Amino acid sequence: NAGVTQTPKFQVLKTGQSMTLQCAQDMNHEYMSWYRQDPGMGLRLIHYSVGAGITDQGEVPNGYNVSRSTTEDFPLRLLSAAPSQTSVYFCASKAGGFTGELFFGEGSRLTVL
Amino acid sequence: AQRVTQPEKLLSVFKGAPVELKCNYSYSGSPELFWYVQYSRQRLQLLLRHISRESIKGFTADLNKGETSFHLKKPFAQEEDSAMYYCALSGGGSQGNLIFGKGTKLSVKP
Repeated sequence: NAGVTQTPKFQVLKTGQSMTLQCAQDMNHEYMSWYRQDPGMGLRLIHYSVGAGITDQGEVPNGYNVSRSTTEDFPLRLLSAAPSQTSVYFCASKAGGFTGELFFGEGSRLTVL
Repeated sequence: AQRVTQPEKLLSVFKGAPVELKCNYSYSGSPELFWYVQYSRQRLQLLLRHISRESIKGFTADLNKGETSFHLKKPFAQEEDSAMYYCALSGGGSQGNLIFGKGTKLSVKP
C-alpha cells in the first residue's frame, strides 16, 4: 500500500495564481484532512472530510476550497494564491472515530511570490 | 477553548540523559492525547497515544488530568531520537479532529 500520496512535492506560484494540491489514499479511510505547517505555529487544520460528499472547515479555511467526490481523493484548491499561503501542506487520513491514528502524506512545500 | 501547549521550541540533551518533552492541554471534557514525531526527511507518524498506555522506542507518556498534562519521557536519550515532536489532542465530536501543539525540536548530542 502507498498510504497517503500528495502531489506535487514542491510548487512555486505567483500571487493571484490558482493551483490544486492533490491527495490520495488507498486505505479506504473515511476521514481525510489538510493541515498547514508553519514555523512556530505547528500544524493547523484547514479543511476536513468525514466521507465522500461531506466537507467542513477547520481552523484556517480562508483562501482554500476542498471537495470529496470519492473516498480516495481529497484535493485542496487555492483559487488566488497569496504570500501568506506560503507553507508546507500535509494531507492526512484515518479510519474515522475519536482515537484513530492519523496517517500523513509526505507534504507539499508551496511558495507564493 | 481547546488548546495544546508545548512550552519548549527546542530541547537539547546529551546522549544517555533523560528527556522530558512537556505538553499541557486545555479541554473541558475527557480528551484523547497523542504524540506524533517527524524525523528528518520523513513524514509525520504516530509515536504513542494515551489510550494505548504503551511504551514505544523507550518513550512513555502519562495523562495527568489534575495538571492537564501529557508529558513525553524517556530515561536515556539516543541520537536517533532527534526529531520534531508534536503533542495532539482529539477534542471531541465523532470526527475526532486533532489539535496540534506548536512542536518541540529535540536535539540529542553525542
